[in-house]
Amino acid sequence: GENVEQHPSTLSVQEGDSAVIKCTYSDSASNYFPWYKQELGKGPQLIIDIRSNVGEKKDQRIAVTLNKTAKHFSLHITETQPEDSAVYFCAASKGSNYQLIWGAGTKLIIKP
Amino acid sequence: DSGVTQTPKHLITATGQRVTLRCSPRSGDLSVYWYQQSLDQGLQFLIQYYNGEERAKGNILERFSAQQFPDLHSELNLSSLELGDSALYFCASSARQGSDTEAFFGQGTRLTVV
Repeated sequence: GENVEQHPSTLSVQEGDSAVIKCTYSDSASNYFPWYKQELGKGPQLIIDIRSNVGEKKDQRIAVTLNKTAKHFSLHITETQPEDSAVYFCAASKGSNYQLIWGAGTKLIIKP
Repeated sequence: DSGVTQTPKHLITATGQRVTLRCSPRSGDLSVYWYQQSLDQGLQFLIQYYNGEERAKGNILERFSAQQFPDLHSELNLSSLELGDSALYFCASSARQGSDTEAFFGQGTRLTVV
């Protein structure tokens, strides 16, 4: 079945530096790729998403890139800040039902 | 605040027991999804309801069941509980059932089976 692999499991970066989290998916029919941020004690919150007809999308300090041929997509956070510390999940979905297949998550630590 | 309300926030129960988790979706959202998140793992999709009808099923055990009521709130019933059922259970809602709509998550119910 569909599988989404996410790397790294933990990422520690200096405040102000950039962070990159990568995901690969197995089902070439996947067409929707959201990224969620989960802070301690809270539910996941959508931060950015990309659809299969787009290669890149930016929203202020956050960007996502998609390579359909290689079946991988990445989250880029620039000028990291302490409030960026959280667990980030990638996911992939296809078809008409909202049935996301989730990556295992990346714990992002921003060092002061 | 996502607008999705889950109760209770915490639940401790013994093996073999049955519990019911409740979810109130955002106002106007017709789709409700249930997810299980075990310790330090990603989310596993359990089941989706749209306007009262089951729409999709994921890795939901036969001991688990769910329903969505006419007022659109949903309940997840977990029976014959085992230690391995201890996890965070999230409910999410979205306006439509398609894959291009954002899902808003509640804060989750932390279930501990002892």
